[in-house]
Amino acid sequence: GQNIDQPTEMTATEGAIVQINCTYQTSGFNGLFWYQQHAGEAPTFLSYNVLDGLEEKGRFSSFLSRSKGYSYLLLKELQMKDSASYLCAVRSNTGFQKLVFGTGTRLLVSP
Amino acid sequence: NAGVMQNPRHLVRRRGQEARLRCSPMKGHSHVYWYRQLPEEGLKFMVYLQKENIIDESGMPKERFSAEFPKEGPSILRIQQVVRGDSAAYFCASSPPGGGSNQPQHFGDGTRLSIL
Repeated sequence: GQNIDQPTEMTATEGAIVQINCTYQTSGFNGLFWYQQHAGEAPTFLSYNVLDGLEEKGRFSSFLSRSKGYSYLLLKELQMKDSASYLCAVRSNTGFQKLVFGTGTRLLVSP
Repeated sequence: NAGVMQNPRHLVRRRGQEARLRCSPMKGHSHVYWYRQLPEEGLKFMVYLQKENIIDESGMPKERFSAEFPKEGPSILRIQQVVRGDSAAYFCASSPPGGGSNQPQHFGDGTRLSIL
């Protein structure tokens, strides 16, 4: 089976740093993606990890540990516009390209 | 994300009617994926298509749902004899052909389907 777990909701203050965790159990692994989704809008791609370690992209960083089935998304210097849902998705290695998504973490950034 | 075009944005149908959702992938993309998102739930994979071929339909309900991606024109997700439980947001995503495994899927703005 496949299972992706993320916290349902998090709150943080403008200018702060927040870490959103994701744990997964999947049949095979071929990459982990993070997407941002504002209410009523399309998910937008943030980051991709397939090897262990940290990938940094501006204010956003993503970390992966394959042995632990664990990833996190780190958001620095939070802005009000960062209030959104953050979706963790895993791609299996079955040869097909489908993504298995967690339920998403709703982040609320307050002034 | 304007690159992946979905229409309509909102669709209202009565129980028993048919719903047709359209998706035009980003320019140069030949892989299309459909996902369904219920309120307070994550995106659930439905089907993966390439031009004129269904590659993986493991997430599609066995009845009433079908998808196609013809040689010309958009991909269509068709739901026959809709029921209240079909109310959801349906997202289409696309990715480039043959692409490396690090190619992300790019999503459209979705179609919100409401069944009366």
